[in-house]
Amino acid sequence: DTAVSQTPKYLVTQMGNDKSIKCEQNLGHDTMYWYKQDSKKFLKIMFSYNNKELIINETVPNRFSPKSPDKAHLNLHINSLELGDSAVYFCASSQQGTGGETQYFGPGTRLLVL
Amino acid sequence: GESVGLHLPTLSVQEGDNSIINCAYSNSASDYFIWYKQESGKGPQFIIDIRSNMDKRQGQRVTVLLNKTVKHLSLQIAATQPGDSAVYFCAENKGAQKLVFGQGTRLTINP
Repeated sequence: DTAVSQTPKYLVTQMGNDKSIKCEQNLGHDTMYWYKQDSKKFLKIMFSYNNKELIINETVPNRFSPKSPDKAHLNLHINSLELGDSAVYFCASSQQGTGGETQYFGPGTRLLVL
Repeated sequence: GESVGLHLPTLSVQEGDNSIINCAYSNSASDYFIWYKQESGKGPQFIIDIRSNMDKRQGQRVTVLLNKTVKHLSLQIAATQPGDSAVYFCAENKGAQKLVFGQGTRLTINP
């Protein structure tokens, strides 16, 4: 069974559209994340949620809005898509503890904005 | 600043040889470091981690070394196999579970 899953795997859309990416984890973790990986493979955190509460919000345009309906799900909605949003978006999860918790990643959603 | 860097963006080794991937970090207060492996078309996969109170940690065919004096981290892979070909990332835990990733090193195993 997939531990961290994302849908869709591929997303091709026109500039200006609004799209959502969904993430689910069945690991029982209490913390979930969204990362963006650019064409040069650089991986940068965007958001993290702990028990549905926003913990980390990096310098991300407010066109990006994460939503966590429960601690097993963290969705990412993107408004008014721009060419520069083209990237691979990874969801991850971990269990908060005393620090240094391993994050487990999903397979990624490849977003292409035309 | 917030940065975790790598000395080499690409590395090629012969199958069966050992490989060493290096990483430099900037935050001396960081207490937890992780190595991830990312195969083509997949998400990063945890390989091994190390806390700052350790200098060395071994796994199956992998060893991570931490030199806090020079803020350097390395991943050693023994007896490399074709399946080891991937991009390897070091990551630094900067607190509140915020991981800062390095740029990545692409390891190619030649037959």
